[in-house]
Amino acid sequence: GDQVEQSPSALSLHEGTGSALRCNFTTTMRAVQWFQQNSRGSLINLFYLASGTKENGRLKSTFNSKESYSTLHIRDAQLEDSGTYFCAAEAPGYQNFYFGKGTSLTVIP
Amino acid sequence: DMKVTQMPRYLIKRMGENVLLECGQDMSHETMYWYRQDPGLGLQLIYISYDVDSNSEGDIPKGYRVSRKKREHFSLILDSAKTNQTSVYFCASSLSPWTTNSDYTFGSGTRLLVI
Repeated sequence: GDQVEQSPSALSLHEGTGSALRCNFTTTMRAVQWFQQNSRGSLINLFYLASGTKENGRLKSTFNSKESYSTLHIRDAQLEDSGTYFCAAEAPGYQNFYFGKGTSLTVIP
Repeated sequence: DMKVTQMPRYLIKRMGENVLLECGQDMSHETMYWYRQDPGLGLQLIYISYDVDSNSEGDIPKGYRVSRKKREHFSLILDSAKTNQTSVYFCASSLSPWTTNSDYTFGSGTRLLVI
């Protein structure tokens, strides 16, 4: 089964508003990454976390290994934030990251 | 500017033809990956390479093989392409997965259509 479950699968936001995307893990994970896939299809690395919280501009991500989840918060959404957001997580002893199926975000003017 | 470069960006092949997808990185990363992305399935790992001539199967290796003769290059080969191999293929690289900050850098993808 899927080790990384993302929610919601789709989300619409008005410009200037914010929301949170979530990944739940079915097993303990060692690290998590978040990516944005933009309209051109490129995958952009947003965060890498082994624990705790990181913030970059209007984005903030938290990784709680003990409770097996990670979140990506977007505030003051802009049109260029539209795209698909993927989280990927690495289990201890494994050598690659497993991807969730993504959250499709549409920012509406 | 550190990056992963994939060639070609777009490719159309006939069923049964051989396909070569190439990937290069200029960051001296040890580990490289090939993924395919299909609608509704996210990214699925085909092969992982830990260094030159040190390759391992991912989750969906059937129908593919890889070659890594130099650290900066990682090739994906489809011998006798099938229509169900139509997909978008992404290459990525990272430092060793055993380091504490092995975040991925992705290439721009190769869109392969097998007819």
